[in-house]
Amino acid sequence: NAGVTQTPKFRILKIGQSMTLQCTQDMNHNYMYWYRQDPGMGLKLIYYSVGAGITDKGEVPNGYNVSRSTTEDFPLRLELAAPSQTSVYFCASSYSDRQNTEAFFGQGTRLTVV
Amino acid sequence: SQKIEQNSEALNIQEGKTATLTCNYTNYSPAYLQWYRQDPGRGPVFLLLIRENEKEKRKERLKVTFDTTLKQSLFHITASQPADSATYLCALARTGGSYIPTFGRGTSLIVHP
Repeated sequence: NAGVTQTPKFRILKIGQSMTLQCTQDMNHNYMYWYRQDPGMGLKLIYYSVGAGITDKGEVPNGYNVSRSTTEDFPLRLELAAPSQTSVYFCASSYSDRQNTEAFFGQGTRLTVV
Repeated sequence: SQKIEQNSEALNIQEGKTATLTCNYTNYSPAYLQWYRQDPGRGPVFLLLIRENEKEKRKERLKVTFDTTLKQSLFHITASQPADSATYLCALARTGGSYIPTFGRGTSLIVHP
């Protein structure tokens, strides 16, 4: 049981480049999330999805896009990378009904934009 | 605005003592509050959840209290060990609608041998 898998683990992008951060989970969770974490800061929600075909903006969505075509996958797209997007990105998933709310996190993707 | 506040200063304690971490919130009506542990370079790992109608929850050496009047949760680790050294994050999810967790900054705990 792999849980939540993120790829890549590290990436360096040049300003203006694009990339997709991949996230897949094998727990059949309906909810999936993307957070970013800057040094000394908490996790800020970028986008979330409550099920396949449904996505919504979080606290800091600008500069990012997501899609959720399957229950398992929730990729995060950066279209025009900017230095402000240098951060560690975490994908997470959960059932998020009132009985099962524990979020499972991936190992993170450390992104540097230069 | 809604805020979740955790002490940004690291908590240093001696092995064997009880560590107490605080999570305060404003302008929230949380359905539940969670505590996570995060080690350097790793994703957060869930530890405990306490619901709005619960006062206290325990799991092994961990205890969480939840005071919705004070808008505060306390997280205790008894008989602390150096292996407990990590950053501890609290997360709240609002009542109604999607239960999307919102995280505090976390507090670093350092347990000295």
